[in-house]
Formats: sequence, structure tokens, C-alpha cells
Amino acid sequence: RKEVEQDPGPFNVPEGATVAFNCTYSNSASQSFFWYRQDCRKEPKLLMSVYSSGNEDGRFTAQLNRASQYISLLIRDSKLSDSATYLCVVTGNNDMRFGAGTRLTVKP
Amino acid sequence: ETGVTQSPTHLIKTRGQQVTLRCSSQSGHNTVSWYQQALGQGPQFIFQYYREEENGRGNFPPRFSGLQFPNYSSELNVNALELDDSALYLCASSLEDSGNEQFFGPGTRLTVL
Repeated sequence: RKEVEQDPGPFNVPEGATVAFNCTYSNSASQSFFWYRQDCRKEPKLLMSVYSSGNEDGRFTAQLNRASQYISLLIRDSKLSDSATYLCVVTGNNDMRFGAGTRLTVKP
Repeated sequence: ETGVTQSPTHLIKTRGQQVTLRCSSQSGHNTVSWYQQALGQGPQFIFQYYREEENGRGNFPPRFSGLQFPNYSSELNVNALELDDSALYLCASSLEDSGNEQFFGPGTRLTVL
């Protein structure tokens, strides 16, 4: 079993749609959680941190469920510029574990 | 731009050769992590250096080794290159530990023939 698992997609949605990504992790001792965004042939960039209380940044909402070892990302009112690969990231013991990423394409 | 730089941007080697990749961390960051990203996959953690000491390691063989210098820049060395080592190698810097946001460099694309 992979340490961090994501639905690989691809997700193809129209502009304005709401889309949700899920991620599960296997190490219950994991400490910090993030969503990163990676554009084609570019480096990953932090989208947002994920907290147990949930957090929102504009159109983006992230949730963490420690009991179920589950992380989610919700994107509302999708824009063309949201097209990218979204990487779920879990840290602990001085390492950072990435999921394989979920590819999102937002179409006009 | 994150302020993290990597060199070279591209590199072609043959099986059995050795390679050294370089990374300069963002100003003020004392922690550098290295990742290998194969096509269509997420980055895989190789190791992390904190204040010139290896501070964590992923599931990579000993032929992957590294260094961190007093100015916190870092090198990744790979010996006895294999075809499967072909990938994008990413360096990320952060402050103190992996619980903080990591800032990635643009990567070095290594091709092993």
C-alpha cells in the first residue's frame, strides 16, 4: 500500500464547476499536511496547508480527518487557470511524502 | 520565483556514470530536501539535510548520497547510474524542519542512456 494515495484522475470539468479531490495516508503518526499544485514541467508550489479544523482560502477549502487518515481539497467556481496537477503531501519524521497527484483540466 | 536555484537544468549521462546535482537554498533557509520525480508520478523523498547533517532518508539505495555546505547549499550525488534514474530531481528548501512549507527549485532533468 502506498503511503499517500490519491485518485489520479484526470478530472475534466467545465469552468464554474465545483470539484473535490481526496487523499488518504497510511502513517497515523503523520504530523503536517499540505496541498501543492504543480503545473506542467514546473516545480510544485504550496497551495495551502491543511488543518483538522479545516481551512479556506478563497475558492479553495481543505479538510483533514485524522481518525480516517483522509484529506480533501474542494475547488469552487473552477477557473481555466486552475488546470494543473494537485499533490497531496504528508510529513513526519523529517520527510515529506507526496501522492502521485490528481490531474485537473478546466475547460471553457 | 522561490529563490531556490538548481544546476544544471538538463543533463544526459550513460549507465554506470556518476552525476552531481547542485542546489542553492532560499536565503535564511537551513534545511534542504531532495526529491526524484519520474514522469507521471509525484516527487519521491530521497533525503533531507539540516545544518550539514543528513536528517532523514527515503527508500533510496546508498549510491544516492548528498552533502550540505555551511552556506546551506547542497549537492546530490548519484553513482553507478541506472536507466531508471532518469527523472526530474527537485531540491526544496525550508526553515528548520519538514513541518514548514518547502520551496522548490525548478529541478534538474536527468536522462540516463
